[in-house]
Amino acid sequence: DADVTQTPRNRITKTGKRIMLECSQTKGHDRMYWYRQDPGLGLRLIYYSFDVKDINKGEISDGYSVSRQAQAKFSLSLESAIPNQTALYFCATSAHYTDTQYFGPGTRLTVL
Amino acid sequence: AQTVTQSQPEMSVQEAETVTLSCTYDTSENNYYLFWYKQPPSRQMILVIRQEAYKQQNATENRFSVNFQKAAKSFSLKISDSQLGDTAMYFCAFMVTGNQFYFGTGTSLTVIP
Repeated sequence: DADVTQTPRNRITKTGKRIMLECSQTKGHDRMYWYRQDPGLGLRLIYYSFDVKDINKGEISDGYSVSRQAQAKFSLSLESAIPNQTALYFCATSAHYTDTQYFGPGTRLTVL
Repeated sequence: AQTVTQSQPEMSVQEAETVTLSCTYDTSENNYYLFWYKQPPSRQMILVIRQEAYKQQNATENRFSVNFQKAAKSFSLKISDSQLGDTAMYFCAFMVTGNQFYFGTGTSLTVIP
């Protein structure tokens, strides 16, 4: 079984709809992250959480919100999706005692 | 500001040959970690190799090795004996204290049979 899972893997939605992307991990890590990948731009950090009560904005948080429901679960929401939020979204985890991030399989989101 | 630059958007290499992917970064921090991640067509992000900035010895993982030049803020990836399965997008990244990662824009590598 994968250590970091994301649901859904693919999603097509319409402008103005509310969308939630979910991330779960079984690695026992305390830190979780949401990234967005666009062609030619690499990965950019949206939000990150170092524990259940800690939420921090990343480089491109506008238009997004997150919820850390438990140590193992970190959700990303688009309250009102717009076409320029069409991208590949990755969840990642790490432990405070290590320096490596481990990524989920990604969610491809298309906003029409 | 922390930045990562990968100046080669696309590269190709013949199977069994060696290729080097370039990466430079800018930071005022002294303690940090450097990484290369691979993203094959499956889109999964896979860790290839990591390097601690305080270590002078270059990291090696099988056919993958790095050339870390701290003073020049350069961190290149060498792939020896290239295989078809090495075809992927490669991202350079570094992490400073606090676990925040900064990624480059990627180099698309194609291994030609």
